[in-house]
Amino acid sequence: GEDVEQSLFLSVREGDSSVINCTYTDSSSTYLYWYKQEPGAGLQLLTYIFSNMDMKQDQRLTVLLNKKDKHLSLRIADTQTGDSAIYFCAERGQAGTALIFGKGTTLSVSS
Amino acid sequence: EAEVAQSPRYKITEKSQAVAFWCDPISGHATLYWYRQILGQGPELLVQFQDESVVDDSQLPKDRFSAERLKGVDSTLKIQPAELGDSAMYLCATKDSGANVLTFGAGSRLTVL
Repeated sequence: GEDVEQSLFLSVREGDSSVINCTYTDSSSTYLYWYKQEPGAGLQLLTYIFSNMDMKQDQRLTVLLNKKDKHLSLRIADTQTGDSAIYFCAERGQAGTALIFGKGTTLSVSS
Repeated sequence: EAEVAQSPRYKITEKSQAVAFWCDPISGHATLYWYRQILGQGPELLVQFQDESVVDDSQLPKDRFSAERLKGVDSTLKIQPAELGDSAMYLCATKDSGANVLTFGAGSRLTVL
């Protein structure tokens, strides 16, 4: 079945860039998403990208998609301590199907 | 900003007891999902509704879990009897028809003792 994999942990210093990586297996994925989860809270959508795009930029966030390698990345520029959270990659296959999530990457930002 | 409302936020129960979680979607959102998130894991789909109809409940443990959305608006997820392994965050998410984005509620944290 479909699978989404992420590295489990990333540690950066405040002001640096963070890059969180994700790989997925479903070649029919139509949309790919990045969600953020703070402790004890629900998931907050950060950004998403359609599968026919290879890049999307939204303020400090840059998403890169390599559809050939089924690789998605999220770059956070000028990382702040408030960015410390768990980041989930998710993919959606055919229209109408639910999102499939990775296990999440814990981002730790030190000052 | 419109929100997905969930209650209760926290629930502690003993094993073999019954528990229920409630979700009120954003007005007009026809698609509703229940996800379970075990600590340290990503959310996993339990059930998906389109209006009042179940679209996908293939991962719902039907011997103890049930979900309904009788009028196609709010939804209830029930567990009876609860087991220790059911301790998790139960997340509700909703989506407007034709939209590409799910909006999640704050979740209901269940602890089974």
